[in-house]
Amino acid sequence: EVQLVESGGGLVQPGRSLRLSCAASGFTFEDYGMHWVRQAPGKGLEWVSGIFWNSGTMGYADSVKGRFTISRDNAKKSLYLQMNSLRTEDTAFYYCVKDKGYYFDYWGQGALVTVSS
Amino acid sequence: EIVLTQSPATLSLSPGERATLSCRASQSVRSSLAWYQQKPGQAPRLLIFDASNRAPGIPARFSGSGSGTDFTLTISSLEPEDFAVYYCQQRSDWPPLTFGGGTKVEI
Repeated sequence: EVQLVESGGGLVQPGRSLRLSCAASGFTFEDYGMHWVRQAPGKGLEWVSGIFWNSGTMGYADSVKGRFTISRDNAKKSLYLQMNSLRTEDTAFYYCVKDKGYYFDYWGQGALVTVSS
Repeated sequence: EIVLTQSPATLSLSPGERATLSCRASQSVRSSLAWYQQKPGQAPRLLIFDASNRAPGIPARFSGSGSGTDFTLTISSLEPEDFAVYYCQQRSDWPPLTFGGGTKVEI
């Protein structure tokens, strides 16, 4: 059974940093791309970032480019999102998502990041 | 960036009725479109990929059609568990991958 478990969410002040982690199990992690998708409370879905299986290619939404960095550790079957210079508009549930040809076939339960002073 | 526009924003129907949801792309995405279902308090679930292919375990009452810029998700006969929010997503142009704004199917 595929499982994706996010951690590292919480309350942070504007301008500060936070790092999300995602622990994957139930599939061959190193064979698949991975993504982060976020959802502000009561709002729609927004793709944030994605990374190829070998970390050779990463992509970012314009809203986070230059502030967020995606990475992965295939030996640890883990995905990460380093979030710097956080803004109030970054407040959202952040989902770790498994790639299916640039679609999303498995989702974690989400980690809530709240940016507020 | 490809913009996806979903309509209607809300669809009010009864169990047993047919639901027809629309997703329009700002430029052609060929058949590179997926549909997701999201229930309150849950993560989204992949229903349809490549416009018309059901994901594993998805009931046959869900079907997708369309290509280019106009797409439709049809639920042939609504079950109580189908009342949820539905999103379309394109993968034709990356980055970014983009979602539509969602359609809420309510009783």
